[in-house]
Amino acid sequence: GNSVTQMEGPVTLSEEAFLTINCTYTATGYPSLFWYVQYPGEGLQLLLKATKADDKGSNKGFEATYRKETTSFHLEKGSVQVSDSAVYFCALRDWGAQKLVFGQGTRLTINP
Amino acid sequence: EAGVAQSPRYKIIEKRQSVAFWCNPISGHATLYWYQQILGQGPKLLIQFQNNGVVDDSQLPKDRFSAERLKGVDSTLKIQPAKLEDSAVYLCASSLTGVNYGYTFGSGTRLTVV
Repeated sequence: GNSVTQMEGPVTLSEEAFLTINCTYTATGYPSLFWYVQYPGEGLQLLLKATKADDKGSNKGFEATYRKETTSFHLEKGSVQVSDSAVYFCALRDWGAQKLVFGQGTRLTINP
Repeated sequence: EAGVAQSPRYKIIEKRQSVAFWCNPISGHATLYWYQQILGQGPKLLIQFQNNGVVDDSQLPKDRFSAERLKGVDSTLKIQPAKLEDSAVYLCASSLTGVNYGYTFGSGTRLTVV
């Protein structure tokens, strides 16, 4: 079945550091890929998405590129801020079931 | 546009009691989902509706959980009787039909079973 694997957390960085959160997936067919963010006490919010190979999703300084050859969708940001502290979820949605399948989440903490 | 509305925001019940959660999706979104998110884990799909029909309920513990979506709009999720392991955040989401669309999530209901 379809699955998503994220790098183990928690991740702790200093403000203005470079961020990478790894995400790889297994899917039949050609899924769409998503990153969601969950701030403390809140629901999940869509951060960015990519719907086909080589697409780059971007939002709020975050970027991720759909790499079909490595089945990856790594999240990056050049300079993180304290306000980026949250849990980040990678997810896929396939053409068949059309349901979102989530990774286990990566907790990110940014220290001033 | 208005987001996905859920209520209540928090609920504490004793084991073996029953509880119900309500969700109002974004207008025009045909697909509605209920997810269970246990602390420290990613959300797990419980049930998926397309309009008022069930598309996927393979992960729903049907001996104690039930859900309905009358008239293809609002939905309720019920647990009866609750167990300690049901303590989690229950998230409702809605989306347009099509793989390129993400979901819009509500704020969730945090359930604590004591």
